[in-house]
Amino acid sequence: AQSVAQPEDQVNVAEGNPLTVKCTYSVSGNPYLFWYVQYPNRGLQFLLKYITGDNLVKGSYGFEAEFNKSQTSFHLKKPSALVSDSALYFCAVRDTAGGYQKVTFGTGTKLQVIP
Amino acid sequence: KAGVTQTPRYLIKTRGQQVTLSCSPISGHRSVSWYQQTPGQGLQFLFEYFSETQRNKGNFPGRFSGRQFSNSRSEMNVSTLELGDSALYLCASSRRPGTGENTGELFFGEGSRLTVL
Repeated sequence: AQSVAQPEDQVNVAEGNPLTVKCTYSVSGNPYLFWYVQYPNRGLQFLLKYITGDNLVKGSYGFEAEFNKSQTSFHLKKPSALVSDSALYFCAVRDTAGGYQKVTFGTGTKLQVIP
Repeated sequence: KAGVTQTPRYLIKTRGQQVTLSCSPISGHRSVSWYQQTPGQGLQFLFEYFSETQRNKGNFPGRFSGRQFSNSRSEMNVSTLELGDSALYLCASSRRPGTGENTGELFFGEGSRLTVL
């Protein structure tokens, strides 16, 4: 069975500082990995995805994520945080083994960027 | 291009009632998934439909059901509502179902916020 863990319920970072939101996963085969962001009272918006290839993936709004197969991690990063980045972030995984697989989401990490 | 549309956005029901939520996917998307989001449980997968067939189902009781129509629109129904069913119900669409060949992301609607009193 596939699973995703986001170990931090909340991350606080000062505006202008780099930010990291952590994600680890477990799958049987190769993973498809995703990051989504959710603003209050809104649906989830896609940020970026890793399918194959370069381990550093760039996405929307200046975010990037690094795939690390040995550590089974897919941490979300941004070099300089903005107050407007404050939101709820979800990591998600889809296993490519065993045919059809649903997307499994982590529990979410609330990012608070402090002015 | 219109996004995923969910109706209604907000609704209030009482225990024991039933509710039907609607989801219109992005044009050309044939796969629709439903998720329940609560503060305590996070995002929980309900089910996914493709070509009017349920392709996968989460661990929810039989009170939760869904269907998909030939135009890919989907509805979910919750019968005999309980207080714990209060949640944000999110619908997401994608071009194809979750096979290994599908690398695409999910496109979410704004959600239907259900309050059960």
